[in-house]
Amino acid sequence: DTAVSQTPKYLVTQMGNDKSIKCEQNLGHDTMYWYKQDSKKFLKIMFSYNNKELIINETVPNRFSPKSPDKAHLNLHINSLELGDSAVYFCASRASGQETQYFGPGTRLLVL
Amino acid sequence: GENVEQHPSTLSVQEGDSAVIKCTYSDSASNYFPWYKQELGKRPQLIIDIRSNVGEKKDQRIAVTLNKTAKHFSLHITETQPEDSAVYFCASNSGGYQKVTFGTGTKLQVIP
Repeated sequence: DTAVSQTPKYLVTQMGNDKSIKCEQNLGHDTMYWYKQDSKKFLKIMFSYNNKELIINETVPNRFSPKSPDKAHLNLHINSLELGDSAVYFCASRASGQETQYFGPGTRLLVL
Repeated sequence: GENVEQHPSTLSVQEGDSAVIKCTYSDSASNYFPWYKQELGKRPQLIIDIRSNVGEKKDQRIAVTLNKTAKHFSLHITETQPEDSAVYFCASNSGGYQKVTFGTGTKLQVIP
């Protein structure tokens, strides 16, 4: 069983479109994250939710809006996509009281 | 905020040799230091971690050392094998919400 899953795996879209990426974890973890990995492989945290509450919000354009309908899901909606949004987006989760983060398989977003 | 520097950015070794990757961090309050391995096209996966109350930790061919005074930590891989080829990330936590800051990554190539 996949512990942290993301959909879609690949996303190719035009500039200006709006798109969503979904993440689900079946580990019973309380905290979930979104990371962006650019073409140089830099991994940068974007957001973190703990029990559906936003706790980390890095300097991310407000075109990016995370939503956590419950603690097992964390979605990322991106408005007005730009070329610079092309990257791999990773979801991760962590159990309360534990430090280890478990990553999803990533969503490869290409904006044309 | 926390700043994690990682060196070298690329590393080529002959199979059977050792590989060492070094990181420094800036936040003296950081107390957890994981290392992740990311194979091409895959998700980052935790390979070893160390907490600030420990100076060294080993797991078979990999070991991590931590010098809290100097704020640096290192990953050591002995008897390298071709399957060790990947990008390795060091990381450091900071803040009460387990915000993990990643280093810039080291691309390790093990030459058979």
